[in-house]
Amino acid sequence: GQQVMQIPQYQHVQEGEDFTTYCNSSTTLSNIQWYKQRPGGHPVFLIQLVKSGEVKKQKRLTFQFGEAKKNSSLHITATQTTDVGTYFCAGLAGTASKLTFGTGTRLQVTL
Amino acid sequence: NAGVTQTPKFQVLKTGQSMTLQCAQDMNHEYMSWYRQDPGMGLRLIHYSVGAGITDQGEVPNGYNVSRSTTEDFPLRLLSAAPSQTSVYFCASMSLLWEQYFGPGTRLTVT
Repeated sequence: GQQVMQIPQYQHVQEGEDFTTYCNSSTTLSNIQWYKQRPGGHPVFLIQLVKSGEVKKQKRLTFQFGEAKKNSSLHITATQTTDVGTYFCAGLAGTASKLTFGTGTRLQVTL
Repeated sequence: NAGVTQTPKFQVLKTGQSMTLQCAQDMNHEYMSWYRQDPGMGLRLIHYSVGAGITDQGEVPNGYNVSRSTTEDFPLRLLSAAPSQTSVYFCASMSLLWEQYFGPGTRLTVT
């Protein structure tokens, strides 16, 4: 079945440093989504990418979808303590109705 | 507009007991799903529904039943609870743009 892997599993940065998490799918995706989950909270939808090579920005967050539509990345510039949480990618393959979530990257930011 | 609601927030069951986790959404979304989240495992899809009267299995359906009699409600039934079902359960609904909205979760412990 479809597998979605994320690296790293955990990253600890100092406030102001940049952060990147990578998502890789075993199959070609029709779209990819990113979610953020704060400690003790529920996943919150951030963004969806659909087109090959697509790049979208939300303030300090930059999302990319690979040319082959099998990988994606989330980059945070100048992290803040409010960025703490776990970031998940989730992919939809072909005409399937099922989203497959990656294992997540937990981000810790300290002053 | 409450979004996605789940009850109960916490539940402790003994092995062999059955129970129903409730989920409701007021956004008129056709697509709803149930996930379980275990440490280090990300979110795994249990069951999903693309509309009233239609349900299908996800990645980890064993031990769980669902039904979808209305657009709003999507309950998850544990038939005979086992310690391996100790987890956090999230219900979600998805818009036509494939944006998924999660409920606050139910933390279930089976002893």
